[in-house]
Parts: sequence; structure tokens; C-alpha cells
Amino acid sequence: TQLLEQSPQFLSIQEGENLTVYCNSSSVFSSLQWYRQEPGEGPVLLVTVVTGGEVKKLKRLTFQFGDARKDSSLHITAAQPGDTGLYLCAGGPNAGKSTFGDGTTLTVKP
Amino acid sequence: KAGVTQTPRYLIKTRGQQVTLSCSPISGHRSVSWYQQTPGQGLQFLFEYFSETQRNKGNFPGRFSGRQFSNSRSEMNVSTLELGDSALYLCASSFENEQFFGPGTRLTVL
Repeated sequence: TQLLEQSPQFLSIQEGENLTVYCNSSSVFSSLQWYRQEPGEGPVLLVTVVTGGEVKKLKRLTFQFGDARKDSSLHITAAQPGDTGLYLCAGGPNAGKSTFGDGTTLTVKP
Repeated sequence: KAGVTQTPRYLIKTRGQQVTLSCSPISGHRSVSWYQQTPGQGLQFLFEYFSETQRNKGNFPGRFSGRQFSNSRSEMNVSTLELGDSALYLCASSFENEQFFGPGTRLTVL
């Protein structure tokens, strides 16, 4: 069974600060996905990383896939209250059978 | 394109009853997956269907079952409901290595 560990579990910061969320595993993944979820709603796909060492940017969000494809990170620059939510990483043999990390609950205070 | 839709959004049942949840995937997506999300266990994979066949199955008891129709729409059924089945049930449709979630069905078992 492939497991994904996310850290930190909770993060509370002030608007304008930077932060990094980590997603680690002892297993190799063919791809990893990052999602953001708001209470009572389904996760929304932010990005998929496929190639080891890959870096993808989505406005103020930067995603990196480890060289060995066992870990990934999400960095947010100048966080805003609208970034508040549960951030989840996921991976698996195929997208339809994904293992999810436990998530990082981010709160950005104005 | 319309996103993944799930019905109903909210459901209240009592122990011992059964329930059927419905999911319509994104047009053209043939893979449909179901997940259970609870505060204690996070997001856990239930099963995946592809072209009307169950392709993968998670570690859930036989009370949890599903099916997929020729138009890719899917249903999941939970029989003999238990209090611990209270959760957000999420459906997702996949294409290549990307997975898109519906808003979920919030099931409460009393």
C-alpha cells in the first residue's frame, strides 16, 4: 500500500506570509496531484506533476515533484485569505485509484 | 463542459437502512471512482469503475457496492447502514492522470 504523509497538519498564518506544505512517501509515484477542498465541497484539482524534478507554477502557487518521484511540495507566496482551505496531495497507480494524504488545513488571517 | 454531479447532496438515514447514491461523470470520462471522507480517516478509496467494470476496489466491507451504466453514470449502494457510515461520499471521474471530483453527498446515519 502506498502511503502519503503530509506536513504540517495545520497551518495558521497572516495574510502576506509565505508557506510550504510537504507531501512525502517511501513509494515512487508515476504522478502526484494537489487539490484544495473547502468545507462541504469536493476537492478541486490544482495541478498534476508527472516528471521527477518538475516545477509547476499556478499564479502564487509553486508545485515541485521530487527527483525520485517520492515527494512533492506546495509553496504559496504572499498568502491571501482566499487561500484558506484543506490542501490534499494524492497519487496512485492511476488517477482513478488514488491514495490521499491526510491533508494540511491552512488558515490565512486578514 | 459540465462538471461531475452527485445526487442527492444531503441524506439522513437510520441504522439498518440502505442507501443509493448517484454520480454523473464529466462527458467523455469513462472512469468513475468513489471515496469516503471522514474527519478521522480522511479520504479513503472505495472503488473504481471503468466501462461498466469494477477495475479497483478498496478495503471496505461488502455492504458497500457500486455499478456503472453504459452511459458512464455510476451508483453506489450501502446496505445495513451503521453509525460509522456517516461521511461525505465523493465521486470523481478521471481522464488520463487527472481526476475531478463532484460536490459530494453528505450522509448522516442516526
